Amino acid sequence: SQELEQSPQSLIVQEGKNLTINCTSSKTLYGLYWYKQKYGEGLIFLMMLQKGGEEKSHEKITAKLDEKKQQSSLHITASQPSHAGIYLCGADGEIKAAGNKLTFGGGTRVLVKP
Amino acid sequence: EAGVTQSPTHLIKTRGQQATLRCSPISGHTSVYWYQQALGLGLQFLLWYDEGEERNRGNFPPRFSGRQFPNYSSELNVNALELEDSALYLCASSLGLADSYNEQFFGPGTRLTVL
Repeated sequence: SQELEQSPQSLIVQEGKNLTINCTSSKTLYGLYWYKQKYGEGLIFLMMLQKGGEEKSHEKITAKLDEKKQQSSLHITASQPSHAGIYLCGADGEIKAAGNKLTFGGGTRVLVKP
Repeated sequence: EAGVTQSPTHLIKTRGQQATLRCSPISGHTSVYWYQQALGLGLQFLLWYDEGEERNRGNFPPRFSGRQFPNYSSELNVNALELEDSALYLCASSLGLADSYNEQFFGPGTRLTVL
């Protein structure tokens, strides 16, 4: 089964600084999803990547999928307190597999210090 | 447009009881997924329903079951509750097209506490 490893597990950054979260897969990623979760709440969809080398940006958040499609990174520029939360990467394991269930990484807890 | 809704927000049960959790997907979505997020275990896939049928289930015992109704809403039932069933249960919905990539949109979750 596919496993996703996220690093770091937690991160404390000063407001205004940049941060990067990595998500590494044991298998080829056919669809990689980034979500944000406030503690104890539901997940907010951020971005989806599917092509090797793909990069997407939304406001101050940029996500990339490497050419080999086994690693993704999420980069936040000039962090703000609103960026605090838990960031989760999720992946489709295979195309047309039984169920579009997502396998999730362990999450990265981000704290932004004012 | 309304997002995925879940009820109740919180549920407190005792060991051995049964719990029923409900989920309404985004209008137009036919697939509903259930995930368990237990402390220290991360987010684990439980069940996937599409067009009224169970399409896939994760590595959970049979006392976790559910169903999807004709209006695509879904129920998750947990029988013979155990202490370790205490978790945040998240429901997600998507367009349910098996041969394309579909973003899953999540509800706010139901916090189940088993005493």
